Amino acid sequence: QVQLQQSGPGLVKPSETLSLTCAISGDSVSSNSAAWNWIRQSPSRGLEWLGRTYYTSKWHTDFAVSVKSRISINPDTSKNQFSLQLNSVTPEDTAVYYCAREKEYNWFDRWGQGTLVTVSS
Amino acid sequence: EIVLTQSPDFQSVTPKEKVTITCRASQSTGSNLHWYQQKPDQSPKLLIKYASQSFSGVPSRFSGSGSGTDFTLTINGLEAEDAATYYCRQSSSLPYTFGQGTKLEIK
Repeated sequence: QVQLQQSGPGLVKPSETLSLTCAISGDSVSSNSAAWNWIRQSPSRGLEWLGRTYYTSKWHTDFAVSVKSRISINPDTSKNQFSLQLNSVTPEDTAVYYCAREKEYNWFDRWGQGTLVTVSS
Repeated sequence: EIVLTQSPDFQSVTPKEKVTITCRASQSTGSNLHWYQQKPDQSPKLLIKYASQSFSGVPSRFSGSGSGTDFTLTINGLEAEDAATYYCRQSSSLPYTFGQGTKLEIK
């Protein structure tokens, strides 16, 4: 059974960096048939896809235009996990952040438990 | 970016009723449209993939149809546990986008 376990701080100061990790069990971050995504949810923006990483002979990443200049998503094969970093956060980045497995590069079939991240001084 | 518009935004329904939620895309997504259920304080859960394929373990009362720009999620014989918000999501092109959600309240 595939499980995704999120970790990271729930409070980040404005202008600092939001960092979250998603640990994978039951699958591999290097899988050739899955991508590993970050999505966030807030009352004002609804569900918003942020980006993904996946491996097909080499590592790839895709990002939403809205965060492209501030985001990085990195796999860690030694720990079988992937991470999200979002730089220069503002209160508008306050949201519940989810990691999710994208099976067959199409549907999100497994989700992490969600992490509420509040951006506040 | 493909915009997904769901209707209705909110529906109050009685148990055993048939419920229909629609999702309209601003451009064709083929069959690359999926439905999710989210209950309060929970992560979304996949119900339907590729517009009409039920995901493993999902009750048979949930079904999906449509292609191109118009899609439907149907719940036949609503149960109290189906109180949730339902979202469509497209995987036809990046950026992936979600509908705004349809909240079902059980009377």
